[in-house]
Amino acid sequence: DTEVTQTPKHLVMGMTNKKSLKCEQHMGHRAMYWYKQKAKKPPELMFVYSYEKLSINESVPSRFSPECPNSSLLNLHLHALQPEDSALYLCASSQGHSGANVLTFGAGSRLTVL
Amino acid sequence: QKEVEQNSGPLSVPEGAIASLNCTYSDRGSQSFFWYRQYSGKSPELIMFIYSNGDKEDGRFTAQLNKASQYVSLLIRDSQPSDSATYLCAVKEGAQKLVFGQGTRLTINP
Repeated sequence: DTEVTQTPKHLVMGMTNKKSLKCEQHMGHRAMYWYKQKAKKPPELMFVYSYEKLSINESVPSRFSPECPNSSLLNLHLHALQPEDSALYLCASSQGHSGANVLTFGAGSRLTVL
Repeated sequence: QKEVEQNSGPLSVPEGAIASLNCTYSDRGSQSFFWYRQYSGKSPELIMFIYSNGDKEDGRFTAQLNKASQYVSLLIRDSQPSDSATYLCAVKEGAQKLVFGQGTRLTINP
């Protein structure tokens, strides 16, 4: 069982909808990540939160809006998405300290934009 | 951004043989290297990571680093059909970012 929990597992939305993806971890990790993965491609980093502050935004379009309410929770708010945004969205967490910074991934949320 | 390159495969290996996966990286200063396994439709899971100071063995898996040639390898001994997956190599960039290679699809044939 993964220790990073993502909901929902599947999401279908229209281009005018507003939805959110949620991620939770209880490992005491202080860094949380959103990755996007298209079929047969590697994960691409979107955002990193470190100690609840946004530390990396990989030039992600504003239709994706991250939020970190506390050190255990990470949300990704979605609005006015395009069909090309359909992908597997992976949340991950790490201890956030220096060193290896090993990522633990959640099971992912598969998003389909119609 | 650092570059990480892998042969996308597919790499086909008979059951019981050694599977050898390679990954090259562009930044000579890289110090942390990771191998993740990803089954179709699932999320990546960590197999092992190594620092620039040495190789590591964990059960049937061995990760080796060749700093002079800037490549990392993953050896899987006594390959099993359950090892069939895509293997992602990743290199740490900065304090928090991992740069992933394209992944190598491995198939173990019974």
